[in-house]
Order: sequence, then C-alpha cells, then structure tokens
Amino acid sequence: LAKTTQPISMDSYEGQEVNITCSHNNIATNDYITWYQQFPSQGPRFIIQGYKTKVTNEVASLFIPADRKSSTLSLPRVSLSDTAVYYCLVVRMDSSYKLIFGSGTRLLVRP
Amino acid sequence: SQTIHQWPATLVQPVGSPLSLECTVEGTSNPNLYWYRQAAGRGLQLLFYSVGIGQISSEVPQNLSASRPQDRQFILSSKKLLLSDSGFYLCAWTTGTGFTGELFFGEGSRLTVL
Repeated sequence: LAKTTQPISMDSYEGQEVNITCSHNNIATNDYITWYQQFPSQGPRFIIQGYKTKVTNEVASLFIPADRKSSTLSLPRVSLSDTAVYYCLVVRMDSSYKLIFGSGTRLLVRP
Repeated sequence: SQTIHQWPATLVQPVGSPLSLECTVEGTSNPNLYWYRQAAGRGLQLLFYSVGIGQISSEVPQNLSASRPQDRQFILSSKKLLLSDSGFYLCAWTTGTGFTGELFFGEGSRLTVL
C-alpha cells in the first residue's frame, strides 16, 4: 500500500479556504484516495473519496492531479467546528481490505 | 440502518490484568471488521482486521489478540496488559460486499493501564 505524507499541523481563520495536501508517490492503478475527519474522543468520519481529477460534495472538494501522486483536500470557508485532525488514506479496491491511517494533519481554526 | 457498538466505553486496569473489548455491528451482513488503537495525541494504529468468521489478520502481534466468533462480533483481548496498552480503542466496519473503503467507527473504548 502506498505510504502517505501530510503536514503535521495547519492554522487558519474562520471564513478562509483551507487546502491540505497529501503525497502518495507509490499509488497503484487500483488505489483510491480517501479523506477522514476526526474530532477528539471520536472515531474518524469519512469526508470524501476520489480517483482522479476533482470530486466535490457538500462538505469538501478533492483535487487529484493526473499523475495521482498527491491529492489536496479543500475545505471552503472553514468555521471553528472544522478544527479537527484530517487523515488521507490510500485504499486499494481489491481483496486486501487493509486500511492504514497516516499521522494526519491537525487543523486549528481560529476566530 | 447500520449501527456499531463497542463496550465498555472506559476502563481502568492494573498492569498484568486481562482485557476484553467487544464490538458488534447491526444492520449488515459479512462486514469487514477492524480494531484500531490511538495513543494520546497520536494517529490511528491498525491492530487487527477480519474479513470473515474466524479470519483474523494481525498487524501488531505483541500481547493483544482478536477473535471473531460471530459474523458481526469482534473481540479484542489481552491476557496481561502493559502500560503501553493505554489508549483509545476503536472498532470499525466496512461493507464486505462491494468494498468501498469507507470505514464506520464505533464510539471508542478508552483504556488506562496503571
């Protein structure tokens, strides 16, 4: 499975757009990129998943360049409640089922 | 709808004592089941995962073990706890059929070993 690398932490202010980048240089053809959000003392929650180009849902957008060696989670107009840890995972859509989280990015949104 | 429950929510155990954490999933069949551990301020460490009854894949051999006696039941055990076993334990499931990689987590069990 491709190893992921993310910034350890990021700071932002309410109302700003936040972009968190994840590198996954060894991503394979049948791997998907998935992002999770975790609040303290809770399990992570699925945010978004993509394979290439751009995916958007009501919470976030995910940008994946053509070489797929990195991905960027974009959170529009963050609020204080977006303060959390964000994890990027590479998920292999075959029979492996092994899901390994990286260290995550701790996002702090300030007033 | 599918739900996942794990218990106990919190426990304080002395070093060398046994451990049993239980997780059950409702509303789905043949789920893939996972146990993760999160030490204070750290990321999630995959401990075990299971794709079927009696099928356990171990990522962390150490002093922990897991069992899946029923399709929707996953148990994490230890015969003798270590101080380093303290942490937040999370059970999770994904669909077994039509795997998407989307994990659904339980409420977590916070273990303190003294």
